[in-house]
Amino acid sequence: AQRVTQPEKLLSVFKGAPVELKCNYSYSGSPELFWYVQYSRQRLQLLLRHISRESIKGFTADLNKGETSFHLKKPFAQEEDSAMYYCALLSFQKLVFGTGTRLLVSP
Amino acid sequence: DGGITQSPKYLFRKEGQNVTLSCEQNLNHDAMYWYRQDPGQGLRLIYYSQIVNDFQKGDIAEGYSVSREKKESFPLTVTSAQKNPTAFYLCASSTLTGIKTYGYTFGSGTRLTVV
Repeated sequence: AQRVTQPEKLLSVFKGAPVELKCNYSYSGSPELFWYVQYSRQRLQLLLRHISRESIKGFTADLNKGETSFHLKKPFAQEEDSAMYYCALLSFQKLVFGTGTRLLVSP
Repeated sequence: DGGITQSPKYLFRKEGQNVTLSCEQNLNHDAMYWYRQDPGQGLRLIYYSQIVNDFQKGDIAEGYSVSREKKESFPLTVTSAQKNPTAFYLCASSTLTGIKTYGYTFGSGTRLTVV
């Protein structure tokens, strides 16, 4: 079955520290993966998609098929990065979401 | 201004009552989805529709019903059969051809509280 696992409910770091939000998936085909972010009082929005191999707001994510992972990374966290982050897998034209990780960046 | 609109933002319901949540989009998206967001459980799919007059059950459809009479609209009814309806409900839409590139567009959500 298709499944997305985000093992950390909460990740707390200091400003300027590196950040890695973990995402593992199980999927029988070739995966299409996304990261979504929800800032306080804002709607859920797309942050990254793996097919683009892009860097948005300093975040990157690399698909590792061997480890079935799609971890989200940023070398230097900023206070404005504090938000809820969801990893999602596209399966039969629908997104399957992980349980989310709350990132708190302290000054 | 294109987008997806959910209303109302907050909704209170007495036990035993049905209630309907509205979701409207003017993005000309083919597909629409309803998710339920609970703390620690992420987003769980309730229903989805990829074409007018057709919809499919998601993972937690029991106690919910939907309709898709127009492309722009996908209302969700929370019935009295839903055992734990208090939650934050999110509506989303997407194109079918562009979903790999653009993913979903989300509404701002409706917080339903059963009193």
